[in-house]
Amino acid sequence: NAGVTQTPKFQVLKTGQSMTLQCAQDMNHNSMYWYRQDPGMGLRLIYYSASEGTTDKGEVPNGYNVSRLNKREFSLRLESAAPSQTSVYFCASSNRDTYYEQYFGPGTRLTVT
Amino acid sequence: EDKVVQSPLSLVVHEGDTVTLNCSYEVTNFRSLLWYKQEKKAPTFLFMLTSSGIEKKSGRLSSILDKKELFSILNITATQTGDSAVYLCAHEQSFNFGNEKLTFGTGTRLTIIP
Repeated sequence: NAGVTQTPKFQVLKTGQSMTLQCAQDMNHNSMYWYRQDPGMGLRLIYYSASEGTTDKGEVPNGYNVSRLNKREFSLRLESAAPSQTSVYFCASSNRDTYYEQYFGPGTRLTVT
Repeated sequence: EDKVVQSPLSLVVHEGDTVTLNCSYEVTNFRSLLWYKQEKKAPTFLFMLTSSGIEKKSGRLSSILDKKELFSILNITATQTGDSAVYLCAHEQSFNFGNEKLTFGTGTRLTIIP
């Protein structure tokens, strides 16, 4: 039981490049989330998906798109990376009944130069 | 705009000390207040609080919520070096079932000196 996995662990992009961060969970959770964590800013919600086929914007969605490919996978895409998107990105998932207990992946450290 | 404010931002104590971490909030559609512990990487869930005055306890950690004064505290007694981490407070909003969201504070970085 791997829990929540994220790939890649580290990535360096140049301004304007695109990339997709992958997230998968094997706990049969309905809800999945993408956060970014910056020094002094805490965790901020980018997008979330309450169930397969639905996605909603969080606090800081600009510059990102998401896809809930199936119940297990939730990807985050940066179409044209900017230095302001340098951050650590966490994916999380939760069960509908215990939505408050989110399980986090190990994070992706992204640097945009 | 909803806010979750944690204090202090960082705290350094000696092993065996007792610490109190604070979390105050100003939110709409409040549903619950949560505490997470973040060691090196991913945050892990500690407590969920929904009712005022009812203490939640797990070993040396305990937490309580005051919905009138809009704050929560997390206490750790007899601290150990393994308690060194960033402690995150979050509030949960709910607009309808299945659409719950968490808003996190910036965290308190706790360092325990042996």
